[in-house]
Amino acid sequence: GQNIDQPTEMTATEGAIVQINCTYQTSGFNGLFWYQQHAGEAPTFLSYNVLDGLEEKGRFSSFLSRSKGYSYLLLKELQMKDSASYLCAVVDSNYQLIWGAGTKLIIKP
Amino acid sequence: DAEITQSPRHKITETGRQVTLACHQTWNHNNMFWYRQDLGHGLRLIHYSYGVQDTNKGEVSDGYSVSRSNTEDLPLTLESAASSQTSVYFCASRERLESGELFFGEGSRLTVL
Repeated sequence: GQNIDQPTEMTATEGAIVQINCTYQTSGFNGLFWYQQHAGEAPTFLSYNVLDGLEEKGRFSSFLSRSKGYSYLLLKELQMKDSASYLCAVVDSNYQLIWGAGTKLIIKP
Repeated sequence: DAEITQSPRHKITETGRQVTLACHQTWNHNNMFWYRQDLGHGLRLIHYSYGVQDTNKGEVSDGYSVSRSNTEDLPLTLESAASSQTSVYFCASRERLESGELFFGEGSRLTVL
């Protein structure tokens, strides 16, 4: 079967750095997305990785290792507005997105 | 600006009633999707369409149907609503299947009593 694993919840302090991990086992791999979702809102796109390595975009970075079936999202200089759920999704061999259950990130002052 | 809109945003209905959730996008994307989101689960695919007159079942399609008569709209119909279909429903679209970002509507919260 296809499986995406993420921690259910994480807590971090404002101004700090946090890493949210995602491991996957899917039928094929055609890329990995990270989305942010604030409570009661729609998911919004953060990053897309298809090749191994680190992609940096401002305070957010995303890393992919295809051989390990592993990705992480790194958030630096945390702000209160970063309190949200972070969703990992893998594009499988049929180009469908397989979603993890999401990681709820709580930022404390 | 292009967008994707859903209606209604909130709906309360009774078991056994037919319900239709509307989804309209102005991105001119061929690829459209319906997901449901429940606590403890990732987004689960209900139905999807790759173009006009094309519809396909996702992993949780039982009790749902869609139709695609034009590029812009993909309405989702619950033929006979059940309490298990209480959920938040998201419509989404993508330009390219290979690498295209998925754009989401605002969501429709459905409660079946």
